Amino acid sequence: DAGITQSPRHKVTETGTPVTLRCHQTENHRYMYWYRQDPGHGLRLIHYSYGVKDTDKGEVSDGYSVSRSKTEDFLLTLESATSSQTSVYFCAIGQEGNQPQHFGDGTRLSIL
Amino acid sequence: AQKVTQAQTEISVVEKEDVTLDCVYETRDTTYYLFWYKQPPSGELVFLIRRNSFDEQNEISGRYSWNFQKSTSSFNFTITASQVVDSAVYFCALSEVYSGAGSYQLTFGKGTKLSVIP
Repeated sequence: DAGITQSPRHKVTETGTPVTLRCHQTENHRYMYWYRQDPGHGLRLIHYSYGVKDTDKGEVSDGYSVSRSKTEDFLLTLESATSSQTSVYFCAIGQEGNQPQHFGDGTRLSIL
Repeated sequence: AQKVTQAQTEISVVEKEDVTLDCVYETRDTTYYLFWYKQPPSGELVFLIRRNSFDEQNEISGRYSWNFQKSTSSFNFTITASQVVDSAVYFCALSEVYSGAGSYQLTFGKGTKLSVIP
């Protein structure tokens, strides 16, 4: 299994609070991604990173920010969580080129 | 923009039946990659197969087979002699090179939930 760890695995929080999800990899892969999974939508890309301090927006980036200060860690932050951000969040890593992305086990986030 | 359509939202079959999951994609690129992932009830996403746009050869892996047809923009997945352990949500995904950063971004279909009944 690809060495990807997401933390926390579950979180319940209140609207308006900041939330940070962490993705840690031990594979030294260049590319890292954050997706959210919602019923009826499949997985949608939030943000991705193509190197340390190099990030870009995905399809559903509004309300989210990311940071990557070292190769192994990719953080996703919800500055002020809203109920519409209740979802399951997956981190993925990828190598150069067309290699498949490998996913972490997901974080289930509930915002009340 | 690229798009992946999995028209079958849910499928139920009786164990040992064959089942085909459909995937139709749209892309303007001539170079692209197609993937299938499996998400069992435990929730993790498991990579099954990758196919590039230059290789239309069908592939078989045990009870699994994949039929890639560029002429119809389809990449269908067949499970032969289905088993209860095949019960999962299956996602088809399309990847193109994102020219701005050289990364490959996946566009997923909405998934097909397969239930295999004993």
